[in-house]
Amino acid sequence: QQQVKQSPQSLIVQKGGISIINCAYENTAFDYFPWYQQFPGKGPALLIAIRPDVSEKKEGRFTISFNKSAKQFSLHIMDSQPGDSATYFCAAHLIQGAQKLVFGQGTRLTINP
Amino acid sequence: GEEVAQTPKHLVRGEGQKAKLYCAPIKGHSYVFWYQQVLKNEFKFLISFQNENVFDETGMPKERFSAKCLPNSPCSLEIQATKLEDSAVYFCASSQMVLGEKLFFGSGTQLSVL
Repeated sequence: QQQVKQSPQSLIVQKGGISIINCAYENTAFDYFPWYQQFPGKGPALLIAIRPDVSEKKEGRFTISFNKSAKQFSLHIMDSQPGDSATYFCAAHLIQGAQKLVFGQGTRLTINP
Repeated sequence: GEEVAQTPKHLVRGEGQKAKLYCAPIKGHSYVFWYQQVLKNEFKFLISFQNENVFDETGMPKERFSAKCLPNSPCSLEIQATKLEDSAVYFCASSQMVLGEKLFFGSGTQLSVL
């Protein structure tokens, strides 16, 4: 019940296209949903985050869409660039108990020039 | 410092040997987390601290893993008697205010157990 399921596992998009990564969760105790970007050999870096009282959040080319009733959220990368090639992890913050971040399985995104 | 500093970057141990990893959180951050990433996949939570106090250690294999965050010292994660399955990248992260949110990660320590 504490899992966050992420799809697809890998994604190839042409330069200029839209990249879409999806996540789903079960536990309604999650109260904060961040996305992290990880380059090879580096730790994940916070990209954008949303709280469940908002349906969409946009920062530059990155948008999170959040569907509370469906318990799903997604990351959209507009005008995808080769520099966006990285592994993306969705996560959910558990407000109860340990208040830790629970991560999805990751999506390896490749943007072809 | 302005970034989470983890040392060493790489660590190779024979099975059964001890491994010790270090983490200096961002100055002013009260919360420290350790995560294990196996085969570049999802992150497994190990333990969290609020200052020098353990907040949650439910992810720790207690018989071999231990961790500390002492005042004026880097935090540490120690694995006694390493096993092949401990091979992973261990990430430390810190956050400033609300526990668990807006984590800043270090670059990780790649542990290889041979």
